Amino acid sequence: GENVEQHPSTLSVQEGDSAVIKCTYSDSASNYFPWYKQELGKRPQLIIDIRSNVGEKKDQRIAVTLNKTAKHFSLHITETQPEDSAVYFCAAIYNNDMRFGAGTRLTVKP
Amino acid sequence: EAQVTQNPRYLITVTGKKLTVTCSQNMNHEYMSWYRQDPGLGLRQIYYSMNVEVTDKGDVPEGYKVSRKEKRNFPLILESPSPNQTSLYFCASSLYPAGGINEQFFGPGTRLTVL
Repeated sequence: GENVEQHPSTLSVQEGDSAVIKCTYSDSASNYFPWYKQELGKRPQLIIDIRSNVGEKKDQRIAVTLNKTAKHFSLHITETQPEDSAVYFCAAIYNNDMRFGAGTRLTVKP
Repeated sequence: EAQVTQNPRYLITVTGKKLTVTCSQNMNHEYMSWYRQDPGLGLRQIYYSMNVEVTDKGDVPEGYKVSRKEKRNFPLILESPSPNQTSLYFCASSLYPAGGINEQFFGPGTRLTVL
């Protein structure tokens, strides 16, 4: 089955700086890579996703890049704001098997 | 309002006492799944269902049962709960199976404590 590793487990940045979270996956047949944001005490919510036939996708201040050869994908948040503080999860999906990374706790200091 | 609901939101029980956590969605989604969330382990899939009467094991199915008799409901059953099942549980649904590249909508979560 698929195995997803996520780094770092915690990340602290100054407001306005960029944040990068990286994930690797094991199954080369995985074809969909979503990122979820979970605020404290809330449910996870999809913030961006990318398919295996696309190398990069951007939505305002967030972007995701995918390197299929190396089997890794990354979340990039630019101009971070305090409301970006949350736990971020990556995931990889092969067929109906959805595996999440362990999560990254991002703290944005004002 | 389109949503996924779970009940109860909080539950404290004792070892061996059967319990059911309900999950319901009003979006006519085909795919539903259950996850448990534990510190440092992220979200792990317990069971999923691709449609009515179709269920399959996820990553950590031991000690759990599910059923999908109606499209909107997907209850999680713990026949004999044990302390290692103390966790935060999320139900999720999506229009198509996860492999169909579709956003999963999560319920609010159920915090279960087994003493």
